[in-house]
Amino acid sequence: EVQLVESGGGLVQPGGSLRLSCTASGFTFTTYSMNWVRQAPGKGLEWVSYITSSSGTIYYADSVKGRFTISRDNAKNSLYLQMNSLRDEDTAVYYCARPLGGTAVAPLDYWGQGTLVTVSS
Amino acid sequence: DIVMTQSPDSLAVSLGERATINCKSSQSVLYSSNNKKYLAWYQQKPGQPPKLLIYWASVRQSGVPDRFSGSGSGTDFTLTISSLQAEDVAVYYCQQYYSTPHTFGQGTKLEIK
Repeated sequence: EVQLVESGGGLVQPGGSLRLSCTASGFTFTTYSMNWVRQAPGKGLEWVSYITSSSGTIYYADSVKGRFTISRDNAKNSLYLQMNSLRDEDTAVYYCARPLGGTAVAPLDYWGQGTLVTVSS
Repeated sequence: DIVMTQSPDSLAVSLGERATINCKSSQSVLYSSNNKKYLAWYQQKPGQPPKLLIYWASVRQSGVPDRFSGSGSGTDFTLTISSLQAEDVAVYYCQQYYSTPHTFGQGTKLEIK
């Protein structure tokens, strides 16, 4: 069974940093690109970033470019999102999501339950 | 960036009736070399992550009931629920994965009339 479990969310002050993790199981993580998608409270979905299986290609939404860094450790079946210079508008539930078939250019067929990041003073 | 615009923002339909949700992209998401439309639909229920329903604009994901169907051209797409069931109450999102950023529509809230 495919499972994606996010962790690392919490309350952080504006300007602070946080590192999210996503632990994958039930599939060959090393062959899949991975994504982060976020959802502000009561709002819609916003795609944040993706990373290819070998970390060779990485893309970010303009809203997080230069502040967030996606990475992965294939030996640990883990995906990460390092978030720096956090702003109020980064408050959201952050989901890691797997693309169908593993390629970066694909819909997202498995999602974690999400981890809540709250940026507030 | 490709902007995805859904209509309506909310919709109330009687049980057993048809529900139709529209999604328009600001530019074509049809890749001519493979004739595929890079458009997906998701369903999200309260407190849950999104669930993939439809991809390539019209391919139903495994396990999705056949009352859900998708159609459309290069820029205009439709999600249809042929006979609304109580468990279909949710917010529905379209997403293009043709180019980064892989943008979502704003969502359509579907309720029972």
